[in-house]
Amino acid sequence: GQNIDQPTEMTATEGAIVQINCTYQTSGFNGLFWYQQHAGEAPTFLSYNVLDGLEEKGRFSSFLSRSKGYSYLLLKELQMKDSASYLCAVRDSNYQLIWGAGTKLIIKP
Amino acid sequence: ETGVTQSPTHLIKTRGQQVTLRCSSQSGHNTVSWYQQALGQGPQFIFQYYREEENGRGNFPPRFSGLQFPNYSSELNVNALELDDSALYLCASSPGGTGFGQTQYFGPGTRLLVL
Repeated sequence: GQNIDQPTEMTATEGAIVQINCTYQTSGFNGLFWYQQHAGEAPTFLSYNVLDGLEEKGRFSSFLSRSKGYSYLLLKELQMKDSASYLCAVRDSNYQLIWGAGTKLIIKP
Repeated sequence: ETGVTQSPTHLIKTRGQQVTLRCSSQSGHNTVSWYQQALGQGPQFIFQYYREEENGRGNFPPRFSGLQFPNYSSELNVNALELDDSALYLCASSPGGTGFGQTQYFGPGTRLLVL
């Protein structure tokens, strides 16, 4: 079967750095996405990786290792508004998105 | 704002009823995907439409059906509603078909409660 694993919940302090990990086992791989979802709202796109390495976009960076079936999302200079769920999704061989359950990130002052 | 709209925003139905949810895709996008998201879970893929044809389906029973119209807006129909159908239903649009690694942009969702 297909599986995406992420920690259920993480806590970090305002101004700090946090890394959210994602491991995946899917039938084929055609890219990995990270989305942010605030409670009661729709997911919003953060990043896309299809090749190994680090993609940086402002305070957010995402890393991919296809050989290890592993990705992480790095958030720097955390702000209170970063409190949300972070969803990892992999596009499989059928170009369908397989989603993890999300990591709830709690930011404390 | 992604430019993807959904209606209604909230809906309450009873078991056995039927429901139709609607989605207008972002301008220039010809692909629409529908997802079901239960509380505390990630989205589950229902199906995808590309240029009015269904071109991918997740593990959902036939009572979940859909349509895409020439203007690329879409409907999700659910017959014989069950209590477990209570969830947030998300529509996402993207500019390409299955052969493109394109980002999906989500609408605000429809929250369905089945009593």
